[in-house]
Amino acid sequence: GAGVSQSPRYKVAKRGQDVALRCDPISGHVSLFWYQQALGQGPEFLTYFQNEAQLDKSGLPSDRFFAERPEGSVSTLKIQRTQQEDSAVYLCASSLDNAPGETQYFGPGTRLLVL
Amino acid sequence: AQTVTQSQPEMSVQEAETVTLSCTYDTSESDYYLFWYKQPPSRQMILVIRQEAYKQQNATENRFSVNFQKAAKSFSLKISDSQLGDAAMYFCAYRSGVTSGTYKYIFGTGTRLKVLA
Repeated sequence: GAGVSQSPRYKVAKRGQDVALRCDPISGHVSLFWYQQALGQGPEFLTYFQNEAQLDKSGLPSDRFFAERPEGSVSTLKIQRTQQEDSAVYLCASSLDNAPGETQYFGPGTRLLVL
Repeated sequence: AQTVTQSQPEMSVQEAETVTLSCTYDTSESDYYLFWYKQPPSRQMILVIRQEAYKQQNATENRFSVNFQKAAKSFSLKISDSQLGDAAMYFCAYRSGVTSGTYKYIFGTGTRLKVLA
């Protein structure tokens, strides 16, 4: 079956613009994670969904970042009034359930460049 | 707070040889999971191997094995018979157990592995 997909793959935004990044997890996967990966760094946790419930948003860096998963499948990460420091690869991952040892399946990422 | 440290930014190994990537972590928890993920150039991150903290036996997956030293908080990855396809960034990651009520994974900064033909 299809893996995790993300769109767009690349996004260039002018500082101050709003952007929306989409994640299509593997069908039936309960858990969905968003990460921010700066150049040369490891992924940094942003937020976690269990079905449609956002159970952990402790990693969102500011109130300009907002995520949703209204029907428990597709998720959108929105960044308002983008800043240059938001430039990074945004990764989405899904897993079958919420067990901590469960395998995460990652998408290809969206590379965001804020000019 | 938990931390994960990978002190080797880059490693090289000759094809068919063995290489060990290091990872140390800090936690006060007793229930947790450790992972190694591989991120090939321009490709998606995939799970290589996982270890449950309460299991003393080191995990193995074909050519990949770990040396889990719980008391020392060390979790190294050994790759045997290295292949060109093993070239990638390798990330060590930590996740708290189910009793913690948290869901976040904590990743290290990664080790870039080069495989020399």
